[in-house]
Formats: sequence, C-alpha cells, structure tokens
Amino acid sequence: DADVTQTPRNRITKTGKRIMLECSQTKGHDRMYWYRQDPGLGLRLIYYSFDVKDINKGEISDGYSVSRQAQAKFSLSLESAIPNQTALYFCATSDMTSWPDTQYFGPGTRLTVL
Amino acid sequence: AQSVAQPEDQVNVAEGNPLTVKCTYSVSGNPYLFWYVQYPNRGLQFLLKYITGDNLVKGSYGFEAEFNKSQTSFHLKKPSALVSDSALYFCAVRMNYGGSQGNLIFGKGTKLSVKP
Repeated sequence: DADVTQTPRNRITKTGKRIMLECSQTKGHDRMYWYRQDPGLGLRLIYYSFDVKDINKGEISDGYSVSRQAQAKFSLSLESAIPNQTALYFCATSDMTSWPDTQYFGPGTRLTVL
Repeated sequence: AQSVAQPEDQVNVAEGNPLTVKCTYSVSGNPYLFWYVQYPNRGLQFLLKYITGDNLVKGSYGFEAEFNKSQTSFHLKKPSALVSDSALYFCAVRMNYGGSQGNLIFGKGTKLSVKP
C-alpha cells in the first residue's frame, strides 16, 4: 500500500549496532503496528500503538523499542542488534472507526544483522 | 489461546484449475477472519474478511472464502487460477474485543504456485 512507507527498504548492520526503522502513513489512521516476518513463522507482532500516547508490547517485544512521534509516524529501534533479529519487518496501520479494522501494510524493511 | 493453522506449506495448481488454500482457527467466541496475500518483495495486501452473516465472502482479484463454524475453517478459494496468483497467502484471526485481544493472529502462510 503506497500510503504506508518504510525506510530503509534494506539494511545490513553489525552485531551491537543501534538501528532505527521508520514508518510513515498518509492514510490518517490512528493505529499503527510493527511486525516481523520469519520464514515458516508467519508474522509476529512486536509493538502496537492505538494513538500517539498509547504504546503497547506485542508478542515479541524483547530487544526492541518504539516511538510514536506523531499520528503519522511510528519508529522501531533495535538498541543493540543481534543476528537473530535478521528478518523482514513490516509496519501496518488501521482505522479504529471501522470495526473490525483492516490492517494495511507497508512494503517492508529487510534487515540483516551480521 | 487464539491460534490459526494453515496446514499446507505449499499448494500447486495448474492454471485454469480451481484452487483452495486451507485455514483453520481455534478461538473461544466469535472470530473475525482475514486473508492477506504477499507477492514477492511486497508487503501484505488485504484480500477479504469475514465479519458475520453470509458464510461466503467475496474479495479482491476473484478470490472468495467460505466460513464454516462447525469445522472452524475459513478456506480461500478461486474458481480458475492464474499464474499471477502465485504468491504467499496468510490467514489471520482476531476476536471481537478491543485492546490487545483484538489484535491479529497470523497463520504461518501457504505458498501458492500456479503453473501454466
């Protein structure tokens, strides 16, 4: 969905480095999500935010942190990257006024931790 | 606990033949069910969702899905497969609650391969 953008699209980093993945949306949605995708495991929820002042841990939040800088921006940080955080990361948004809200996904960031 | 199962890692179909991608779920209560498709090097795209009512849900690109409460299934179907349908398909479930209980739970995905 072109209304949800992620930067960078690809990133290679080294163990121990801090890295930030960014997500922006022009859909005007209040809810935003970060997922990681691993082969054979599907998508797993890392963090989610229902509005700027509401941040919640998902299924696999350890080793990650997030920041909701504005309604349209939601960043994911890896404070000290490790190789098992190598994965495809997706941001998603949804509109709480439409229930059950459908999530719309960005194109993904492929992260490799060496 | 909520869970979603996609029992087939891969489904192979000849172009023009009907296709089915299977999904079963385990929840307590009434679920909302979703199908998403992921093309290579792309994000997930929404195909369709079941909320309530008619058990046959029609979605994008000619896909449809049948909700079966007694079998706790939500299989994705298409009458005539196209080579361009080749992609990774994800089933997802959420409860009709708010807060964290309303989050999506995804299956592991099924790779659909349509051969000419």
